[in-house]
Amino acid sequence: GAVVSQHPSRVICKSGTSVKIECRSLDFQATTMFWYRQFPKQSLMLMATSNEGSKATYEQGVEKDKFLINHASLTLSTLTVTSAHPEDSSFYICSASDRGREKLFFGSGTQLSVL
Amino acid sequence: AQSVTQLGSHVSVSEGALVLLRCNYSSSVPPYLFWYVQYPNQGLQLLLKYTSAATLVKGINGFEAEFKKSETSFHLTKPSAHMSDAAEYFCAVRNSGNTPLVFGKGTRLSVIA
Repeated sequence: GAVVSQHPSRVICKSGTSVKIECRSLDFQATTMFWYRQFPKQSLMLMATSNEGSKATYEQGVEKDKFLINHASLTLSTLTVTSAHPEDSSFYICSASDRGREKLFFGSGTQLSVL
Repeated sequence: AQSVTQLGSHVSVSEGALVLLRCNYSSSVPPYLFWYVQYPNQGLQLLLKYTSAATLVKGINGFEAEFKKSETSFHLTKPSAHMSDAAEYFCAVRNSGNTPLVFGKGTRLSVIA
């Protein structure tokens, strides 16, 4: 079946640094990518939606200048957490929708810890 | 707007007992409904999904769910719990088309030996 490869699976960084998370669709064209964040013992909250070649649409309360999303190709989307702070520590997970828009595939997630 | 309510943040059952995890949804259009399982420090695994075909949906690991429009429910069941079923379970709803999943708050299932 379709696979979305997300990495790194775990990253620890110092406060103030930037971290890039990649999601690649391995055998289909991901026309739309959804980025979620999950705090410990909580549900997944949608951060933003990006369509290939377009600017991402951010959910209310999500800072677009802090969470930079690039979706320049049909197989790759990246989320960059800029100037990370400890409160950004969370589990980030992407999901990709194919061109038919009926299927949704999840990456395996990235656990970000900011010291 | 769509929403999902999962009743009970934590459910505990004995090994071999029936598992019932409740999910009610709200959607202005016929929804697609999903159940996902998440093991500690891992991503999401799709258990099953309802996409307007049969109302009783069978998934992996012996789980099934029934779509009841009159009750706006999509409860997840398994006849006999196994220790390996202990995990976090999320119900989610999505409209057809290019829309994201909206997740419930999750239910943590514990299985007691």
